[in-house]
Amino acid sequence: QITLKESGPTLVKPTQTLTLTCDLSGFSLTTSGEGVAWIRQPPGKGLEWLALIYGDDDKRYSPLLRSRLTITKGTSKNQVVLTLTNADPTDTATYYCARRGDLWGMWFDPWGQGAQVTVSS
Amino acid sequence: DIQLTQSPSSLSASVGDRVTITCQASQDISNYLNWYQKKPGKAPSLLIYDASNLKTGVPSRFSGRGSGTDFTFTITGLQPEDIATYYCQHYHNVPYTFGQGTRLDIK
Repeated sequence: QITLKESGPTLVKPTQTLTLTCDLSGFSLTTSGEGVAWIRQPPGKGLEWLALIYGDDDKRYSPLLRSRLTITKGTSKNQVVLTLTNADPTDTATYYCARRGDLWGMWFDPWGQGAQVTVSS
Repeated sequence: DIQLTQSPSSLSASVGDRVTITCQASQDISNYLNWYQKKPGKAPSLLIYDASNLKTGVPSRFSGRGSGTDFTFTITGLQPEDIATYYCQHYHNVPYTFGQGTRLDIK
């Protein structure tokens, strides 16, 4: 069974760096076709795609947030880490990681349960 | 960036109704369009990929069609458990944007 689980701080102060970890189970991010994405949902708003990392370490970012985002593999092959610098209250959201659902397409399945993050002083 | 415009933004329907949501892309995205269901407090779940392919295990009352810029998502025989917000998402290029969502509730 493939599962993903997000973890990280629930509260971050403005200007601080937010670091979120996605633990992978049931698959490893080791082949070029595999991918893990981060997507967020601010309260009362829609879904926003943030970044994607492939098994071969290729990466893609949202142009809007490119200067503030970094996606990497964690210390183990079963982790993906998202870093967002210079946090702002507008970054308050539930952050999800999700697996690329197919080696050829780009849909996200399954998703983690989500990690709620509030940016506030 | 490619914009996806969903309509309506919200709708109310009765159990057993046929419900249709549209998603219009700002440029041709072929069939690179997926649909998700999002319930409050839950993670989104994939329903349809590549415009018309039903994910294994998803009830057959859900369907999708379209290509190019115009897509539709249909629930045939609405069930109470279908109350959710539905999102389309493209993957023609980066960024893989989502539509703004369509909130569906029961009359």
